[in-house]
Amino acid sequence: DAGVIQSPRHEVTEMGQEVTLRCKPISGHNSLFWYRQTMMRGLELLIYFNNNVPIDDSGMPEDRFSAKMPNASFSTLKIQPSEPRDSAVYFCASSLEGTEQYFGPGTRLTVT
Amino acid sequence: AQSVAQPEDQVNVAEGNPLTVKCTYSVSGNPYLFWYVQYPNRGLQFLLKYITGDNLVKGSYGFEAEFNKSQTSFHLKKPSALVSDSALYFCAVISFSGTYKYIFGTGTRLKVLA
Repeated sequence: DAGVIQSPRHEVTEMGQEVTLRCKPISGHNSLFWYRQTMMRGLELLIYFNNNVPIDDSGMPEDRFSAKMPNASFSTLKIQPSEPRDSAVYFCASSLEGTEQYFGPGTRLTVT
Repeated sequence: AQSVAQPEDQVNVAEGNPLTVKCTYSVSGNPYLFWYVQYPNRGLQFLLKYITGDNLVKGSYGFEAEFNKSQTSFHLKKPSALVSDSALYFCAVISFSGTYKYIFGTGTRLKVLA
């Protein structure tokens, strides 16, 4: 099993640009999570999906952030327009509903 | 409000000594409890969980945790620490009230000194 796959692993972009982060969950898992981690704010849950449907998006910081899960094997997190304060490591995780989560390696986003 | 608390930002322990990383929780209903470890520049990695049954659960790398319902705690323990155990440890809880709610603690940095 390849585990959770995230791309890109690193992204450097300029303020105002659109950023799209991608995630492929573990096959058979029906829950998918997006997290953001920074030194200042720690680990934050942004949104989670169950069976491709967004269940809790209360952690999405503002309208600049959006997430989609068009099918069971793919999800995107988009930031438009990006700002320097969005710089962080973004993790995707998947699980069977109500069980332990398996995290991807993360995408390190730097917005200059 | 449902929450998880890790009261120590950092724990230092000498190699070979026992270690404890503390976690307390506050949820309605029966909690599902988890520990994760994060090594530098890596994603979180599942260590162990308590769902039901024996209060002492064993996990990866020689770690174990004890569920204490009366104290609402789920402390992580290891009898003999290794330098390679140095990492960031997260306690997490899942509660269910119509939908699942996933809550992570703020993390505890464990430093094992040679």
